Amino acid sequence: DGGITQSPKYLFRKEGQNVTLSCEQNLNHDAMYWYRQDPGQGLRLIYYSQIVNDFQKGDIAEGYSVSREKKESFPLTVTSAQKNPTAFYLCASTTTREGNYGYTFGSGTRLTVV
Amino acid sequence: QKEVEQDPGPLSVPEGAIVSLNCTYSNSAFQYFMWYRQYSRKGPELLMYTYSSGNKEDGRFTAQVDKSSKYISLFIRDSQPSDSATYLCAMRTPGYSTLTFGKGTMLLVSP
Repeated sequence: DGGITQSPKYLFRKEGQNVTLSCEQNLNHDAMYWYRQDPGQGLRLIYYSQIVNDFQKGDIAEGYSVSREKKESFPLTVTSAQKNPTAFYLCASTTTREGNYGYTFGSGTRLTVV
Repeated sequence: QKEVEQDPGPLSVPEGAIVSLNCTYSNSAFQYFMWYRQYSRKGPELLMYTYSSGNKEDGRFTAQVDKSSKYISLFIRDSQPSDSATYLCAMRTPGYSTLTFGKGTMLLVSP
């Protein structure tokens, strides 16, 4: 079955550490997205990519980095520069063909600073 | 003014009630409209999508778009406790794959 897989489900980070969240899709989608979700804040866009080797900053990119070396993969690194990283992180993908398509979301990674 | 406004709730209803969830938006270029359901600690799942104005029905769910009022609705008939979740509206303009989301409305259906 096609889908989008995020790992790990739970992640703990010590102060000053970088951590990388994995996102893999086998839907042959061109576009991939990273969102952060905090209580009462809705979904906030961190980075997105519509084609391999290209990506754009979203609304809250500071303290995060991404790469898109393969169509299937869009890992997110939370760097030590991100001062408040504790949140629920969601990866999504979609086609860029015109039409009424929504996103397919992964099941999320909950990151906690310890 | 935010691009998409959605009442956060919570909206509490008894089992069997008809539920109405709504979003308003300011960008008249939005043409594609979607509703997502998100259970606690899970990723959102696409429930309904519509193009431009009109209604779309799928089982107990009806999505309605009124572009003249910049207002979209999701109706849930015969609500069940399993419908308890956060419902997010989303929309986009033609030519762009990026969605703009509402903040979500939490729905609680009590047995």
